[in-house]
Amino acid sequence: SQTIHQWPATLVQPVGSPLSLECTVEGTSNPNLYWYRQAAGRGLQLLFYSVGIGQISSEVPQNLSASRPQDRQFILSSKKLLLSDSGFYLCAWRETSPGELFFGEGSRLTVL
Amino acid sequence: AQSVTQPDIHITVSEGASLELRCNYSYGATPYLFWYVQSPGQGLQLLLKYFSGDTLVQGIKGFEAEFKRSQSSFNLRKPSVHWSDAAEYFCAVGASTGGFKTIFGAGTRLFVKA
Repeated sequence: SQTIHQWPATLVQPVGSPLSLECTVEGTSNPNLYWYRQAAGRGLQLLFYSVGIGQISSEVPQNLSASRPQDRQFILSSKKLLLSDSGFYLCAWRETSPGELFFGEGSRLTVL
Repeated sequence: AQSVTQPDIHITVSEGASLELRCNYSYGATPYLFWYVQSPGQGLQLLLKYFSGDTLVQGIKGFEAEFKRSQSSFNLRKPSVHWSDAAEYFCAVGASTGGFKTIFGAGTRLFVKA
């Protein structure tokens, strides 16, 4: 069966520090991968999606970037974090088109 | 571009009472519609989905939703709410192109009182 792993689960970082959140999917091949951010009391904002290795689409101009170095690995990064980057980050994958998203457990980022 | 509106930020219902959560969408083509539930600090779990066919769809945990094209709505219902249903509920619409982006509403937080 397919599983999705996301880490770290919790992260507290100072302003200006770098960020790397990692997401790995197991049990499937060539999935579509997504990064969402959920700010407190708000819905999910789509940040990036990828339909294949090295293919990244950005939805919102921001301080973050994404990479897909391997088929089932999706990484969210920042060179210098801002206070506004705080939030709950969710990785998700989808196998078929159309199809539902399967979510990881999320990574809570607090920038101080 | 697609969009989703959930007009109720939060709803409180008594245990055993019926529930309806509202969702309106905007999308120029045939929508793919979803309802997800999120417990605090966790990821999202799919409750049900609509792609085509019967406009009344059944999901897990006793939930159902009805697609009404004329009203651009996809409301979620449950005949009798249990205390364990307290959570945040998200309606979402998926596009048929462009990586099949799924756009979510702002969510409705459900409180259940004894």
